[in-house]
Amino acid sequence: EAGVAQSPRYKIIEKRQSVAFWCNPISGHATLYWYQQILGQGPKLLIQFQNNGVVDDSQLPKDRFSAERLKGVDSTLKIQPAKLEDSAVYLCASSSGTGGLSSYNEQFFGPGTRLTVL
Amino acid sequence: DQQVKQNSPSLSVQEGRISILNCDYTNSMFDYFLWYKKYPAEGPTFLISISSIKDKNEDGRFTVFLNKSAKHLSLHIVPSQPGDSAVYFCAASPFGNEKLTFGTGTRLTIIP
Repeated sequence: EAGVAQSPRYKIIEKRQSVAFWCNPISGHATLYWYQQILGQGPKLLIQFQNNGVVDDSQLPKDRFSAERLKGVDSTLKIQPAKLEDSAVYLCASSSGTGGLSSYNEQFFGPGTRLTVL
Repeated sequence: DQQVKQNSPSLSVQEGRISILNCDYTNSMFDYFLWYKKYPAEGPTFLISISSIKDKNEDGRFTVFLNKSAKHLSLHIVPSQPGDSAVYFCAASPFGNEKLTFGTGTRLTIIP
């Protein structure tokens, strides 16, 4: 079974530029997550999708960050315009769960995209 | 507000000995706890988990202990092997919600 795919793996941009990241989750996984991991910190959830709907985007800086999951499969995360503090690894994860109460469903992570903003 | 804390940024352990990684949490709504392992340039991978209805869960060399009254959990690895060298993240999730809150991680180095 193929894992979570992300591209690009690395990106260097200057502040105020725009950037987009792509994620293809494990086939059949209904739930997709984007995390931001700043150096020295743990991953922080930015947005959670279930199929093509947003479940939680409370920690997404909506003035500059946007995300979509058209057709409920792959997803893109965009930053426009980027700031220096956006330098981080952006991780995508997916799970087969639907956020129900019956059980916890493991999240599988992709390798991440390392963004450097100069 | 750091709801999940890993107070040891790094830990070095001799090969064959026990590694103990600690994690504290503050949110009483957390119901499910997980440990993830991360190698450089890779995403975190799930290692072991525990529900709040248990106080111990074992999987091979890995055991997680949960002390709800102290809001503390620990991961024991025995015996430690060189391949265990990685960053370990503690994470927690509230009941009925798969949203994970991660700690800052502990870098474990196993010395051959």
